[in-house]
Amino acid sequence: DGGITQSPKYLFRKEGQNVTLSCEQNLNHDAMYWYRQDPGQGLRLIYYSQIVNDFQKGDIAEGYSVSREKKESFPLTVTSAQKNPTAFYLCASSIDPGTSGASYNEQFFGPGTRLTVL
Amino acid sequence: GQQLNQSPQSMFIQEGEDVSMNCTSSSIFNTWLWYKQEPGEGPVLLIALYKAGELTSNGRLTAQFGITRKDSFLNISASIPSDVGIYFCAGQKSGYSTLTFGKGTMLLVSP
Repeated sequence: DGGITQSPKYLFRKEGQNVTLSCEQNLNHDAMYWYRQDPGQGLRLIYYSQIVNDFQKGDIAEGYSVSREKKESFPLTVTSAQKNPTAFYLCASSIDPGTSGASYNEQFFGPGTRLTVL
Repeated sequence: GQQLNQSPQSMFIQEGEDVSMNCTSSSIFNTWLWYKQEPGEGPVLLIALYKAGELTSNGRLTAQFGITRKDSFLNISASIPSDVGIYFCAGQKSGYSTLTFGKGTMLLVSP
C-alpha cells in the first residue's frame, strides 16, 4: 500500500526542547516537502528536498532544520529557536519536475502531525 | 512568499446546492491543482489542470484552468454533507519545483 506516513499524530513538548517529526514515503518520489499550517494561513513551505543529501529553504525556514539521508525519509526538527512552534505540520512528496522532465508537480500529503509546545 | 487569492473564505450552504469557488493571481501559472482537506487530516488531491482553458471533472467536481493562466475555478454540484472541508487551490510556475497555495475556502453543508 503506497503512501506517506507521518508520526506521531499528536506531539507535546516543553518550551525550549527540540523535537523531530518523522515523514516516510514509499511512493518512490524524489521530492519531499514540509509545510506548516496555522488557522486561516493556508500552507506555508518550510523546507523541500529534490534529491537525497540536498535540500532548500522554503518561505519560513527559520527555527527549523531537515536532513535527507534516504530517498524515503525527510525528518523535520523544530528547534528551540522557532518562536511559535505550535502548529499542524504536513509532509508531502512528488516526482521532481526538475529531474524527471515532467511539467507538473502533483504533491501528495501525509496525515499531518499536530505539535503543541507547552 | 506569494499566496494565491482564494475566494470566498467560507461558505455555508444547504445540501443539494451547487458551489463555486475561485483562485486568482497576478502571476501566470502552468499548473493548477485543487485539494480538499478534512479536519485533522492532510490535503487530498482532487483535480489537476495542465493547459489553459482546460475543463476537468472528477465526479460532481469540475475545475477549469483560466484562459489567462492567472486563475482557476472549482465547482461542486449537488453538494452533500461529506463535501464539508477546506478546499485549497495551488499553482505551479514554469521551472519551479514548489507550489504556491491559496488560503483555502471552508465549505460547510447543512443536511
